[in-house]
Amino acid sequence: NAGVTQTPKFQVLKTGQSMTLQCAQDMNHNSMYWYRQDPGMGLRLIYYSASEGTTDKGEVPNGYNVSRLNKREFSLRLESAAPSQTSVYFCASFLNYGYTFGSGTRLTVV
Amino acid sequence: TQLLEQSPQFLSIQEGENLTVYCNSSSVFSSLQWYRQEPGEGPVLLVTVVTGGEVKKLKRLTFQFGDARKDSSLHITAAQPGDTGLYLCAGVSAGGTSYGKLTFGQGTILTVHP
Repeated sequence: NAGVTQTPKFQVLKTGQSMTLQCAQDMNHNSMYWYRQDPGMGLRLIYYSASEGTTDKGEVPNGYNVSRLNKREFSLRLESAAPSQTSVYFCASFLNYGYTFGSGTRLTVV
Repeated sequence: TQLLEQSPQFLSIQEGENLTVYCNSSSVFSSLQWYRQEPGEGPVLLVTVVTGGEVKKLKRLTFQFGDARKDSSLHITAAQPGDTGLYLCAGVSAGGTSYGKLTFGQGTILTVHP
């Protein structure tokens, strides 16, 4: 089992460009999450999807949109990237007490 | 907004020493988790503590959940270089649309020197 798979692993964008971060899980989990990790700030929740067909804002949603395409896939879109969105992005899925994180996407916006 | 204060932020010790990392909040969580993260990887769940006062042991790691379910500690006995990494505590929200959401502490970067 792959667990949670994120693509791409690295990306460099110019300010104003758009991109979509992909996430897929093969564990049949209902809930999926997008976090960003910045030095000294732990992980902060951007958006989450408690179940297929629902999405909700987290702590830092501005500048992002999400799509829960089906039970397996949860994508994060940056419509107009800004340097403040330079970060490492993690997708996670959850069932009961079992959280599984992907290996992350390191995004640099120049 | 629920906040978790984790301390210390950095810890540099010699192999064989003991250490404790603390995680404190003014909010009550349904459970609290500890993660370890290696460079270039996502956090990996070490343990979940659910009951106030609960103590769990994982080899040389001891995890404790405060009686009021607002704080937790991670104690490592006889640290080894392989324990080096970023340790994160995370509180699990309960109920309604908050179910399953994690609130993370800032993390503790542990370096164990041979």
